[in-house]
Amino acid sequence: QVQLVQSGAEVKKPGSSVKVSCKASGGTFNNYIISWVRQAPGQGLEWMGGIIPIFGTPNYAQKFQGRVTITADESRSTAYMELSSLRSEDMAVYYCARGGSSWSLPSHFDYWGQGTLVTVSS
Amino acid sequence: DIQMTQSPSTLSASVGDRVTITCRASQSISNWLAWCQQRPGKAPKLLIYKASSLESGVPSRFSGSGSGTEFTLTISSLQPDDFATYYCQQYNSYPYTFGQGTKLEIK
Repeated sequence: QVQLVQSGAEVKKPGSSVKVSCKASGGTFNNYIISWVRQAPGQGLEWMGGIIPIFGTPNYAQKFQGRVTITADESRSTAYMELSSLRSEDMAVYYCARGGSSWSLPSHFDYWGQGTLVTVSS
Repeated sequence: DIQMTQSPSTLSASVGDRVTITCRASQSISNWLAWCQQRPGKAPKLLIYKASSLESGVPSRFSGSGSGTEFTLTISSLQPDDFATYYCQQYNSYPYTFGQGTKLEIK
């Protein structure tokens, strides 16, 4: 059974950066897209971007271009999402989710991490 | 970006009821649509993919239909566990986008 286990809650000051990790176990990691999706308090879900670890090239939502960096460490079966220049609107739960094996083939998210709460406060 | 619109935003129903949630896409997404369930404080859970395919382990009272721009999620006989928020999501093209959610409440 595939499991995605994320790092713990973070409290950050405005203007700083946060890096969240997502470790996969129980299945193949490197060949699947790992996406990051966030959910602000009481709000809906928003796709931020993703990466296929074996290729290493990320794909970002235009909204987050320039502020988000998604990377992966194949040897640790872990993906990372770093968001910089944090503002209050970035306070949210950040989820990783596993998709398909190609950017050009539609793929749903079949497994999700448990979520990481990022609080932005001075 | 493709906009996804769900209706209703809130739905009040009783155990045993049959309920339907609708999702509309701003342009055709073929059948590249998923439905997920989210309980408070928990991660979303996949229920339906490719508009009508039931994810393994999901009870058969959940069903999905539709193609193009109009989709529905039906729960045939509500169980206490089903009171949660439901999201549709298109994965026809990036950026993948979600509906705003439908909160299913106990009447």
